[in-house]
Amino acid sequence: GAGVSQSPRYKVTKRGQDVALRCDPISGHVSLYWYRQALGQGPEFLTYFNYEAQQDKSGLPNDRFSAERPEGSISTLTIQRTEQRDSAMYRCASSPSTATNEQFFGPGTRLTVL
Amino acid sequence: GQSLEQPSEVTAVEGAIVQINCTYQTSGFYGLSWYQQHDGGAPTFLSYNALDGLEETGRFSSFLSRSDSYGYLLLQELQMKDSASYFCAVHNTDKLIFGTGTRLQVFP
Repeated sequence: GAGVSQSPRYKVTKRGQDVALRCDPISGHVSLYWYRQALGQGPEFLTYFNYEAQQDKSGLPNDRFSAERPEGSISTLTIQRTEQRDSAMYRCASSPSTATNEQFFGPGTRLTVL
Repeated sequence: GQSLEQPSEVTAVEGAIVQINCTYQTSGFYGLSWYQQHDGGAPTFLSYNALDGLEETGRFSSFLSRSDSYGYLLLQELQMKDSASYFCAVHNTDKLIFGTGTRLQVFP
């Protein structure tokens, strides 16, 4: 079956612009996670959802970052007024539930802020 | 604070056995997972330990000692395709906290 998909795969934007990154989880997966991964580092937790409810947003760096999952399926991570330090790989993962240990990661969106 | 420490790089030859260690210090702990990530790819799940002891999955085994805040991933009969980065990750309530990763290079 289809895995986690993310779009766009690459995004180049100018400093100060807003960007929206999309995640389409595996069908039926209840839990959805957003991570940021710098080159040569492990994924850094940003936020996660169970169904449409945002359960934990403690990893969001500041209030320019927000996420939503209005219908409990597709999720959007929005970064407002982008800065160069926001450049990174943004990864989405899903799992059947929070009781499931395995998370299935998507291919990521490579964001470059000029 | 929360931290997970792994060696940055490990090298080995085909057919050998390699152990990648992970020590952690976190405010909450529900279990330890290991993920593999090839260059340019996404992390993929390898194993999970919630209790002390050894879990074996084919050529890969993972060990956990909660009292020592320590775990390791053991890779046997190494193959060239095992060259990748390996991350330990602590389950802290419902989120994962990843280590810095260990880059494994397997030589013929």
